[in-house]
Parts: sequence; C-alpha cells; structure tokens
Amino acid sequence: KNQVEQSPQSLIILEGKNCTLQCNYTVSPFSNLRWYKQDTGRGPVSLTIMTFSENTKSNGRYTATLDADTKQSSLHITASQLSDSASYICVVISIKAAGNKLTFGGGTRVLVKP
Amino acid sequence: NAGVTQTPKFQVLKTGQSMTLQCAQDMNHNSMYWYRQDPGMGLRLIYYSASEGTTDKGEVPNGYNVSRLNKREFSLRLESAAPSQTSVYFCASSRAYNQPQHFGDGTRLSIL
Repeated sequence: KNQVEQSPQSLIILEGKNCTLQCNYTVSPFSNLRWYKQDTGRGPVSLTIMTFSENTKSNGRYTATLDADTKQSSLHITASQLSDSASYICVVISIKAAGNKLTFGGGTRVLVKP
Repeated sequence: NAGVTQTPKFQVLKTGQSMTLQCAQDMNHNSMYWYRQDPGMGLRLIYYSASEGTTDKGEVPNGYNVSRLNKREFSLRLESAAPSQTSVYFCASSRAYNQPQHFGDGTRLSIL
C-alpha cells in the first residue's frame, strides 16, 4: 500500500533554533513531492515542490531535500520564528494511468516557543 | 483575490440531516477537489473534478455526492449525515489536475 510517513508527530523548539522534519514514502511511481504549511484553523499552503531530479529546493527559511533512491525527504527550518508554529504536511504525487494520485502524510506539528 | 472560499465555516447537524457544503474559486482553475481531514490522519480525497463537466471518486466517496456547478463552483453534499462524517472539510483548486493546489480554510462539521 502506498504510504507517506512523517516524523516526528510533533516537536517544540525555541525561537531562533533550527529543526528538521522527515518524510518517508513508499509511493510508486513517483512524480513529485510537495511540502505544505498548515496554520491552525486554515487550509494548507504550498511551500515547495520537488521533482525526481531535484535534490534541494529553498523557499526563504525553508529548505526541502529529496533522496529519490531512499524515498526520503526532509524539510529544514532555519532560525525559527513564532510564525513557524504550524503543521507541516508532506504530499507525494504518483502518476497512474487513470490520473495522478496524491498521498498525504499525517503531518508534523511544530510549536515555536519564545 | 479571495482564492478559494468555503461556506459555511462551521456547522452542527443531527444524524440523518442533509447538508451541502459550498466552494468557489476565483483563480480560473480547471480542477477542484474535496478533502476531509481527521485528527492524526492525512487529508483524504473524497471527490474531485479534473475539469468542468467531470467528477470522479477519490479515496473515501461513500456517503457523499458532488456537483461541479460551473468552472468556479464545486459543492459537496451529505444526503444523510452520520457521526462518522464529523470532520474538517477542505476544498482545493488547481490550474490543472497535476498542478499545486490552493486550499480554502475549511468547514468544520459536527454530526451529533
């Protein structure tokens, strides 16, 4: 069964510190991988999109990496701010004959404390 | 631009009642989607509309129906609500079926 597993489920970090979130997937065949940020009470917002050939992509203080061989991705948050408190969702897109399929991870909830 | 607008934001229903959740987008997107999000679980696709005039089942379609009213609007209907349908429902749209999605802020639905 195609799955997307995220770890940790939650973490608390101090403002200004860095953190790294993990995403492991078994989805096949792979098309691309996306990271979304979801603030409490809001819908997810796209942070990065990575295709098979991309290893690293940045969006401000967010840097995503992808290892398509090991089927792992990470999202690194640099110099965290209070506004980074949110859930971060990894989504893997696979290409099927009937159309693309999106598989969502359960998310990592990040709390940044002053 | 408003992006993706969902109404209502909150709703409480009794078991067996019917309800339609509304979604509209102003980005001229071709594809629209309905998801549900339950605690500790990833978003699960209920139905999608790859283009105006078409709708298809997603991962968890049972108990739901959809209507792509026009290019802008995509509604989700619960014909006979059940407590298992208590969830947060998100509508999303994208320029094409394989493009990044833009999400609304959700409808929080409780069924007693």
